[in-house]
Amino acid sequence: QKEVEQNSGPLSVPEGAIASLNCTYSDRVSQSFFWYRQYSGKSPELIMSIYSNGDKEDGRFTAQLNKASQYVSLLIRDSQPSDSATYLCAEYSNSGYALNFGKGTSLLVTP
Amino acid sequence: EPEVTQTPSHQVTQMGQEVILRCVPISNHLYFYWYRQILGQKVEFLVSFYNNEISEKSEIFDDQFSVERPDGSNFTLKIRSTKLEDSAMYFCASSDSSEISPTDTQYFGPGTRLTVL
Repeated sequence: QKEVEQNSGPLSVPEGAIASLNCTYSDRVSQSFFWYRQYSGKSPELIMSIYSNGDKEDGRFTAQLNKASQYVSLLIRDSQPSDSATYLCAEYSNSGYALNFGKGTSLLVTP
Repeated sequence: EPEVTQTPSHQVTQMGQEVILRCVPISNHLYFYWYRQILGQKVEFLVSFYNNEISEKSEIFDDQFSVERPDGSNFTLKIRSTKLEDSAMYFCASSDSSEISPTDTQYFGPGTRLTVL
């Protein structure tokens, strides 16, 4: 059974700081990972996907994948109060149809 | 920008009643999914659907659940006899691949909050 583990938080950072969110996964052959943002009572919204080892940048967001250590991280630069949400890490199941989500990390950006 | 839509946004039903949750996936997408999220818990996969067939289902998706694509745009989830523990947010998602790939992005609808009394 593939598992995606996230620290539930809350992670609190001041406005303008870098927020670092981490995710570990159990299956060494997992290929692709997705970061979704979920505001309270709302649906998951895709932020970034990453498939290759290393960093991938998109605006204020950087995803990092380390397959040897089986972790994925999301860095948010210049954090804003509007970034306060739960961040979900996800990978595909072995069949390739189902997204397997972690429990999410709650981020609070304080003004 | 195209988006997945879901109706109703909130459904209240009595235990034992049947409910149908509706979704309109993004128009050129071929794979459709249902997920649920019980309050305070993680998002859980229910079922995936492609070419008018279920391609995968989870242990949660038992005989009281069914899915259908009744026309060219709608995708429905039916719960035949609701239980208290079916109370959750139900999310529909879709992706545009013609064949499954580990890089497929799934786009989620806004969800239907189901409350079973």
